Amino acid sequence: AQSVTQPDIHITVSEGASLELRCNYSYGATPYLFWYVQSPGQGLQLLLKYFSGDTLVQGIKGFEAEFKRSQSSFNLRKPSVHWSDAAEYFCAVGAQASGGSNYKLTFGKGTLLTVNP
Amino acid sequence: GAGVSQSPRYKVAKRGQDVALRCDPISGHVSLFWYQQALGQGPEFLTYFQNEAQLDKSGLPSDRFFAERPEGSVSTLKIQRTQQEDSAVYLCASRSTAAGANVLTFGAGSRLTVL
Repeated sequence: AQSVTQPDIHITVSEGASLELRCNYSYGATPYLFWYVQSPGQGLQLLLKYFSGDTLVQGIKGFEAEFKRSQSSFNLRKPSVHWSDAAEYFCAVGAQASGGSNYKLTFGKGTLLTVNP
Repeated sequence: GAGVSQSPRYKVAKRGQDVALRCDPISGHVSLFWYQQALGQGPEFLTYFQNEAQLDKSGLPSDRFFAERPEGSVSTLKIQRTQQEDSAVYLCASRSTAAGANVLTFGAGSRLTVL
């Protein structure tokens, strides 16, 4: 069965500093990989996704992530963090769902990002 | 509609009561998913519909949980005889089958508190 590990429960960075959130996955086939962000009381917003092709993917809000098959990782990065980036971040892997071409997501436990002024 | 709409946003139930949570997916989205997010945890898959057919219900934690989507649009997640461990945020997501749109759009969730 597929699984996702986010090793860091809570990260604090200063505004303007760079950010890297770690994600490791376990899945037997080529994975679909996602990063979502969740602000308090809000649903999940998709930041970026990897399905195939270029292993460095660009997302919204200046985020990027790199798929490294050899390390089973899909780490999220941002060169300069803004105070509005404070939120919880979830990595997810998509695995085949019953009924053909669809998939269902398995999420990690999340990393809470605090941004200091 | 423009997004996935869930109601109620907040529900407080006494232990043993039945609750019903509603999800209005994006118009035309064929696939609909329910997830459960306990406090401090990531969302966990409950069940999945394609149109009105429930194709995967492997994540439903017990037979007290029941989901339906009778006309292939609105879905209801019903929890019977609620227990304290059912307290969580219940997230609904929908997905288009259009090419290049292979991503889930989530609603804001329904927060259930069982006393």
